[in-house]
Amino acid sequence: GDQVEQSPSALSLHEGTDSALRCNFTTTMRSVQWFRQNSRGSLISLFYLASGTKENGRLKSAFDSKERRYSTLHIRDAQLEDSGTYFCAAETQVVGQLTFGSGTRLQVYA
Amino acid sequence: EAAVTQSPRNKVTVTGGNVTLSCRQTNSHNYMYWYRQDTGHGLRLIHYSYGAGNLQIGDVPDGYKATRTTQEDFFLLLELASPSQTSLYFCASSDEGEQYFGPGTRLTVL
Repeated sequence: GDQVEQSPSALSLHEGTDSALRCNFTTTMRSVQWFRQNSRGSLISLFYLASGTKENGRLKSAFDSKERRYSTLHIRDAQLEDSGTYFCAAETQVVGQLTFGSGTRLQVYA
Repeated sequence: EAAVTQSPRNKVTVTGGNVTLSCRQTNSHNYMYWYRQDTGHGLRLIHYSYGAGNLQIGDVPDGYKATRTTQEDFFLLLELASPSQTSLYFCASSDEGEQYFGPGTRLTVL
């Protein structure tokens, strides 16, 4: 069955607002990666986490270090260029095997 | 900087055609992966490899063969292409951690 459940599936944000995306895992995961995909299909890696939190500009991600069953991506002060589809992908207990969520389609409007 | 390249970037073939997608990484990574992404969905793992001459089956291997000729080069082969294989294909490499993705190959099977 599905191991990575991503929410929400779609999100519309006004410029300047904050929001959070979430991925729940049905089993314990080794690590998580977050990506943004643009309209041309290019996949941009945002974060890789084996534990804890990472921050890059207006983006911040966290991976539940205790039970390793969820991860979040926070977007602060959303900008138009943040629009795209965001994917989380979790590494199962089999090294190297990533399982992707179904994505969150984010639209930021002025 | 990690580098994963794919060729061709776009390919159109007919049902029953023979297609080879190429991937090269210059990261000296041991692991390489082939994924497919269908419209509105996350990526799904087709095949992966631990090193030259090694091949492992992913989650959606039917209709695909793969070959890892060197540490740098990983090929995906569709010997009898079908319309259901129309998709966006991504290659990635890693070394037991973060995966680095190529730009993708858009394949259309008519």
